[in-house]
Amino acid sequence: NAGVTQTPKFQVLKTGQSMTLQCAQDMNHNSMYWYRQDPGMGLRLIYYSASEGTTDKGEVPNGYNVSRLNKREFSLRLESAAPSQTSVYFCASSEATIAGVRETQYFGPGTRLLVL
Amino acid sequence: LAKTTQPISMDSYEGQEVNITCSHNNIATNDYITWYQQFPSQGPRFIIQGYKTKVTNEVASLFIPADRKSSTLSLPRVSLSDTAVYYCLVGAPYNQGGKLIFGQGTELSVKP
Repeated sequence: NAGVTQTPKFQVLKTGQSMTLQCAQDMNHNSMYWYRQDPGMGLRLIYYSASEGTTDKGEVPNGYNVSRLNKREFSLRLESAAPSQTSVYFCASSEATIAGVRETQYFGPGTRLLVL
Repeated sequence: LAKTTQPISMDSYEGQEVNITCSHNNIATNDYITWYQQFPSQGPRFIIQGYKTKVTNEVASLFIPADRKSSTLSLPRVSLSDTAVYYCLVGAPYNQGGKLIFGQGTELSVKP
């Protein structure tokens, strides 16, 4: 049981290049999330997926696209990377069970992205 | 969405009890209060969650007054390994239409 896994761990891009960050969870969770974390700041939600086949924007979606490929996998794509997208990206998942039951998010180890 | 306010940083010594208070004046009726811990170069990790009164687990206690406008995370007898950033979140599960918002967090430094 690996929990939430992310690939790659580290990536350097040039401005304008594209790339996809991969995330997978093996906990049979319904909800998955992508966050970014900049130095000295908390996490900001980019996109989330409440269930397979659905995605919604979070706080900072501009410049990103997502795909909920199946229940396990949720990918984040940067179509044309910009230096402002240099950050650490975290994927998370949660069971998001019945109404009123607590929501605990489980996070992956993060992907460190540097855009030059 | 309820905004949270917590101290930017706190210092403590090994063996002491640490209390981190979070203000959330606009908390909604169906919001839960959740605390996460984040070590450097790692993703956040769930610590504790509550709705009202007191919740205790093997790691921490969470105190929530009747008006729920604030909450206090209590870490008993901290050690050096408790040095981390602690986030207070207020929100409801997605299936209730809510989202979780991470603030800046409180950077706790435990000294020997």
